Formats: sequence, C-alpha cells, structure tokens
Amino acid sequence: DQQVKQNSPSLSVQEGRISILNCDYTNSMFDYFLWYKKYPAEGPTFLISISSIKDKNEDGRFTVFLNKSAKHLSLHIVPSQPGDSAVYFCAARGETSGSRLTFGEGTQLTVNP
Amino acid sequence: EAGVAQSPRYKIIEKRQSVAFWCNPISGHATLYWYQQILGQGPKLLIQFQNNGVVDDSQLPKDRFSAERLKGVDSTLKIQPAKLEDSAVYLCASSFYRTVYNEQFFGPGTRLTVL
Repeated sequence: DQQVKQNSPSLSVQEGRISILNCDYTNSMFDYFLWYKKYPAEGPTFLISISSIKDKNEDGRFTVFLNKSAKHLSLHIVPSQPGDSAVYFCAARGETSGSRLTFGEGTQLTVNP
Repeated sequence: EAGVAQSPRYKIIEKRQSVAFWCNPISGHATLYWYQQILGQGPKLLIQFQNNGVVDDSQLPKDRFSAERLKGVDSTLKIQPAKLEDSAVYLCASSFYRTVYNEQFFGPGTRLTVL
C-alpha cells in the first residue's frame, strides 16, 4: 500500500528555470509533510515542510504547495541551480502514527547548466 | 555540530550470514530511527527509539532483525540470518524531540549487499 507516491522518477530542467516536483498521497490522516534532498552516498537532508493547516510555505528559492482536497503537494525551486541536482523525497506524517514518516519513491532532479 | 555517524559504510555478505550496523546520533537527540531504503524506493522506518525504549517497531521483521539502544545513545541494528532481499541502504536518523515537527537528521547510511 503506497500511501505516498512520486510518479515522476526523474526531471530535467535548465539552470535558471523553475523545477516543479510533485507528490500525491492517499491517507487523509496525514497532517504534516516534508521534503528531503539526497545527494549520492549521503543521507537525506531536510529541505522544507508544511503543516496541513497551511497551503503554502516558502523558504528562499523553495516553496511547497499543499492541495488537501486533491491530496497533492508540490515543491517549486526557482531559480534552479546545478547544485540542486539530487534525489528529492516527499514524506508525510500521520496524526496517529507518532513521528513515523512515510516516504515517496523519490524524484531525481537534474539541473543542466 | 557533528552529524549522525554510521559504520560500516559498505558491507557485503553471503545469504544466511549475520551482520550488524552501528549508529551514533547527534549529541542530545533522544529519538533515534533506523530506516531501510531499497533501491528505487523511499526509506521505510524499521524501528524508532525514544531514549533506550522502543516506540515503534511495527515494520521490523522481528524473525531476523533486532535492534538495541543501550544507555540511550548509540544503537546497533542486526540481521540474522540475512536474505537476498535485505540488500539495501540502512539509514540511521535522530531528532531532538519525538514529534516530527523537529526534523530528522540522517546519517550517510550503510549499503548492504547480500550475495
């Protein structure tokens, strides 16, 4: 039962353009969502999060949008930089699951100079 | 501030052998997590400790996997005996509080290959 899905395994964009990474979930009990970035041979690092009571959270070049009715969230990176090339994981937490995170499969973002 | 440390970084074993991984969390972090990440998938939580007590081990295959966190600091994860499908990266993470509003900090992981 894949409760968090990232349907695009990979995304390629030009430097300076916008990157949009998408994530869908099925569990309506999820109340907190996070994005992690992972470079090769390193562990995931926290990027940005959003509570289910909000529909947008912004941090510098990174903005996360949450559409609860569609059970969909997206991460926007503007402008994209070559150093943003990494695997991005969407994760969600449920009210009844303590602090357990459920991760999506990840999307490999490549930003071309 | 030192990050989460894990060792070894890589391990190759034959099926049915035993293996153990070690994790040292960030100093002061009471909550420790072990995740399994199979190639092409996201990390899956195996077990969560709060200090030296188990909070969540519902997804741990207890017939072959075990974990302990003595003295509420370092932790070890053991697989005995290993199966081919255990090939994965094992990630350790820690957080200051139990709730996820304080984000989890991950170590570099141990890549296990079972032949």
